[in-house]
Amino acid sequence: NAGVMQNPRHLVRRRGQEARLRCSPMKGHSHVYWYRQLPEEGLKFMVYLQKENIIDESGMPKERFSAEFPKEGPSILRIQQVVRGDSAAYFCASSPGTGGEKLFFGSGTQLSVL
Amino acid sequence: QKEVEQDPGPLSVPEGAIVSLNCTYSNSAFQYFMWYRQYSRKGPELLMYTYSSGNKEDGRFTAQVDKSSKYISLFIRDSQPSDSATYLCAMTQTGANNLFFGTGTRLTVIP
Repeated sequence: NAGVMQNPRHLVRRRGQEARLRCSPMKGHSHVYWYRQLPEEGLKFMVYLQKENIIDESGMPKERFSAEFPKEGPSILRIQQVVRGDSAAYFCASSPGTGGEKLFFGSGTQLSVL
Repeated sequence: QKEVEQDPGPLSVPEGAIVSLNCTYSNSAFQYFMWYRQYSRKGPELLMYTYSSGNKEDGRFTAQVDKSSKYISLFIRDSQPSDSATYLCAMTQTGANNLFFGTGTRLTVIP
């Protein structure tokens, strides 16, 4: 009974490169959320997706960040032209239905930008 | 003003102690209140889930919500070294897609 799977666990990028973070939700879950955790700060909501649809991206930075959840395959959080301020832990969560109250989180991807 | 305020600690207690963790919030529309436990280098794990005001007990854990004071608490009885982790409060309102998290309180239970 696999939980939410995220990969890679650690990702190192140089400034200006692209980062791709992957998330496979729990079996039977069709709702995916991405959160970012900066040092000394709480988890911050970024985006909420269902299969092939972005439902709420109110927490996403306006530029360089995008997310998708295709019909087949994992959800992808993509960060273009990374900067040092993008260094953070990125967590994916899934839920079986609407309403973001009961979320099941993955172990996160730690992004380090050199 | 932050939506959710949580004392970051750290908090150290001896094994067997009662632990009290707290959060305050500013948005009176919040109706759902959660406590997550996060071990080092792991994702948050849902511990307790409460709707509106009142108490909820699950084993050694008790969650309390006081909406009139905009204050929530998590009590851990007979604390164990395995309870050592960071505890995050989170909350949201009906129909919302996102949770608002506190910064977390780091707890260490000393054997």
